[in-house]
Amino acid sequence: VMMTQSPATLSVSPGERATLSCRPSQSISINLAWYQQKPGQAPRLLIYGASTRATGIPARFSGSGSGTEFTLTISSLQSEDFAIYYCQQYNYWPLTFGGGTKVEIK
Amino acid sequence: EVQLVESGGGLVKPGESLRLSCAVSGFTFSTYSMNWVRQAPGKGLEWVSSISTIGSNVYYADSVKGRFTISRDNAKNLLFLQMDSLRAEDTAMYYCARSVVTAWLLDSWGQGTLVTVSS
Repeated sequence: VMMTQSPATLSVSPGERATLSCRPSQSISINLAWYQQKPGQAPRLLIYGASTRATGIPARFSGSGSGTEFTLTISSLQSEDFAIYYCQQYNYWPLTFGGGTKVEIK
Repeated sequence: EVQLVESGGGLVKPGESLRLSCAVSGFTFSTYSMNWVRQAPGKGLEWVSSISTIGSNVYYADSVKGRFTISRDNAKNLLFLQMDSLRAEDTAMYYCARSVVTAWLLDSWGQGTLVTVSS
């Protein structure tokens, strides 16, 4: 399953809303996870089951979608949210990741 | 506290072998599936291999099938990745990551170990 993320780069001002897209090449039900990766760090699980926040993840992060269209929304960007975000499907083997969306400061 | 600590990375020549380890603590290792994910310098994430709780089921990316072997030692809380016939394109940071039994999402990650394949 190919995972297409858009945009590749998103320039957002602190306090603004960010909307990231992930589109699998075929339906994956809700078996989708979102990860955040900051420079020099390992990825961190944000969202699983398309919309369930992982433990300790702030409420400003929300996920939605099913099938072939998914969205990660960050409601009000904080300085610590500038990072690269990856989606991953776990409905089929092989597990596959999207190419990532870099959220940068505008 | 859940901890995953990878080791065993380094610089090797094409065709050589390397064995990565991931030592875990803070959770009951034998009740979780485990994975290896890699990231080439400046690139995105690539799933490499996964193993079920008792090692009865293993999965590999096509890019490493036949060259890499995943295994685990539940008595010692260790995950392994034996990498043979290494190629330049295997150069990457290798992360071990935990999955729950019911879904292959990656809920905890180690900090990674760097593998460089170069002549």
